[in-house]
Amino acid sequence: AQKVTQAQTEISVVEKEDVTLDCVYETRDTTYYLFWYKQPPSGELVFLIRRNSFDEQNEISGRYSWNFQKSTSSFNFTITASQVVDSAVYFCALSERYGGSQGNLIFGKGTKLSVKP
Amino acid sequence: DTGVSQDPRHKITKRGQNVTFRCDPISEHNRLYWYRQTLGQGPEFLTYFQNEAQLEKSRLLSDRFSAERPKGSFSTLEIQRTEQGDSAMYLCASSPVAASRTGELFFGEGSRLTVL
Repeated sequence: AQKVTQAQTEISVVEKEDVTLDCVYETRDTTYYLFWYKQPPSGELVFLIRRNSFDEQNEISGRYSWNFQKSTSSFNFTITASQVVDSAVYFCALSERYGGSQGNLIFGKGTKLSVKP
Repeated sequence: DTGVSQDPRHKITKRGQNVTFRCDPISEHNRLYWYRQTLGQGPEFLTYFQNEAQLEKSRLLSDRFSAERPKGSFSTLEIQRTEQGDSAMYLCASSPVAASRTGELFFGEGSRLTVL
């Protein structure tokens, strides 16, 4: 069965610290997608990144970077030089459907990140 | 504003009453999804439409729940005979069809249901 585990329930850092959010997933499929979404206090989930199972290259986007390792079934997210505006709940998600809706995402329980000034 | 909009944002009802939520997706998006999120949990998939066709339903969607998207534009989610366990945030999302944007969901702000 597919599952996403975010073991860190809450993380608190001081501004400018680097922080890594962990995500471990389980799936029997060889073809799947992994995602990160951000849910700020306003509540609206915002898409951050998608990774397909065939692409293990790390990705960097500004202060954000993602590390995908199939060998450990992990898709970790690092924020460099964190800012107060990064405070939010971050969700990792998995989609197994290659040919289906692909919007049936399995979400983890989320990690609440608090960045203090 | 061209994002996903949901109405009402907040609904308080008594157990046993029926409630209906509406979602207006981004106009060029063919796909529309309903998710449910309870406190401290991630969103859980409920159902999915491509245009007006409901193509997938979760086992979470009991027979008290019904969703429609009659003209392939807005969608409604109705809950009949509400129970306290239905209290949650109901999230609507839409997405473009392009394969290159698979799983990139655009969420609304949600409709919070409180069942007393």
